[in-house]
Amino acid sequence: GESVGLHLPTLSVQEGDNSIINCAYSNSASDYFIWYKQESGKGPQFIIDIRSNMDKRQGQRVTVLLNKTVKHLSLQIAATQPGDSAVYFCAETVPGTALIFGKGTTLSVSS
Amino acid sequence: DTEVTQTPKHLVMGMTNKKSLKCEQHMGHRAMYWYKQKAKKPPELMFVYSYEKLSINESVPSRFSPECPNSSLLNLHLHALQPEDSALYLCASSQDYLGQNYGYTFGSGTRLTVV
Repeated sequence: GESVGLHLPTLSVQEGDNSIINCAYSNSASDYFIWYKQESGKGPQFIIDIRSNMDKRQGQRVTVLLNKTVKHLSLQIAATQPGDSAVYFCAETVPGTALIFGKGTTLSVSS
Repeated sequence: DTEVTQTPKHLVMGMTNKKSLKCEQHMGHRAMYWYKQKAKKPPELMFVYSYEKLSINESVPSRFSPECPNSSLLNLHLHALQPEDSALYLCASSQDYLGQNYGYTFGSGTRLTVV
């Protein structure tokens, strides 16, 4: 079967493809999750968030899926463009703690 | 204004120097943060300020000294740093404490090199 929750440090896609970036989070008490995009030489930029009482949220060209059973978060980017090339981080918060970042995934989009 | 502004963008300092990093936001956010990011790693929390008071210090060495002069400004004073302190220092702010409703807004960071 298909694996879920695998974190890949790098992902290379062709322009126009759909991209899926995975993240496994650590704390079952985490109740708020954010995906950030970080371009070279810049700070993290908010993309989309989701709360633990939801399992899916859609934005413009992006969708976040949350599977609390296996503590897995994914970011789907539709019709990936060269401007989407960046490092993507998932981040989680547990009530009373600051934002904790997961390992990043470097997305490279070739045209 | 929906930005967090950090200055300087780049800083090179010797191990005996004293320097300061500055961060400014005019969004009326109540909490401000310092994160440290090494190359190819996620940001790591250093300090949290809430209403100008230090609320979290993640066991950061005393050669890093934060200061929050007012609700819009956050400084990080640096003294006697080591080469391994070279990193990207990120400032962030949030509307609510710990950003548990709307997340954080990050600045572009200061790239610090200690020689």
